[in-house]
Amino acid sequence: DVKVTQSSRYLVKRTGEKVFLECVQDMDHENMFWYRQDPGLGLRLIYFSYDVKMKEKGDIPEGYSVSREKKERFSLILESASTNQTSMYLCASLPTGTGNQPQHFGDGTRLSIL
Amino acid sequence: GEDVEQSLFLSVREGDSSVINCTYTDSSSTYLYWYKQEPGAGLQLLTYIFSNMDMKQDQRLTVLLNKKDKHLSLRIADTQTGDSAIYFCAETPYNFNKFYFGSGTKLNVKP
Repeated sequence: DVKVTQSSRYLVKRTGEKVFLECVQDMDHENMFWYRQDPGLGLRLIYFSYDVKMKEKGDIPEGYSVSREKKERFSLILESASTNQTSMYLCASLPTGTGNQPQHFGDGTRLSIL
Repeated sequence: GEDVEQSLFLSVREGDSSVINCTYTDSSSTYLYWYKQEPGAGLQLLTYIFSNMDMKQDQRLTVLLNKKDKHLSLRIADTQTGDSAIYFCAETPYNFNKFYFGSGTKLNVKP
């Protein structure tokens, strides 16, 4: 079974801090994704990566960056956290191939910026 | 991005059928998915349908796809309290590199 592990379930940080959210998958998937989930807005894609060191902006990349130095790990970085980045963050992975492979999600990190 | 729309809430009584609806705009959608999110957890895949199918049944779940109207529905038969969750529909175009999610429908099952 595919396992996508996000390093923290809950995180509280202060405005202006640099914040790292980590995600690790154990199935050698090429593609990894970071979403944020807000009530009534569903999931919005922040960044995705289709290979090591490759990244593409999603729909809401402003204020975020990502790092993919190893295939199994995809990090989301809030360069200078702000209160409007308080949200649930979800990481997902997906193998390259046909569409009958769903995205596999981690349990999420609930981030609060004070 | 593409638009995927769902109503935000649905409330049903235990034992009744639930029908959750979704509309999308991308005419190149190839696969459409239903995910379930329980409180405090990530999303888990419930079922999916390929765009050349009209219907798919899996135990208590029935997915109907009207490709002409770009309308997808999920029917849960004999709804149980354990079905209370947020249900997301999602679609992916032919190159499968992006998924577009709806806002999620919160299903409340009353005993």
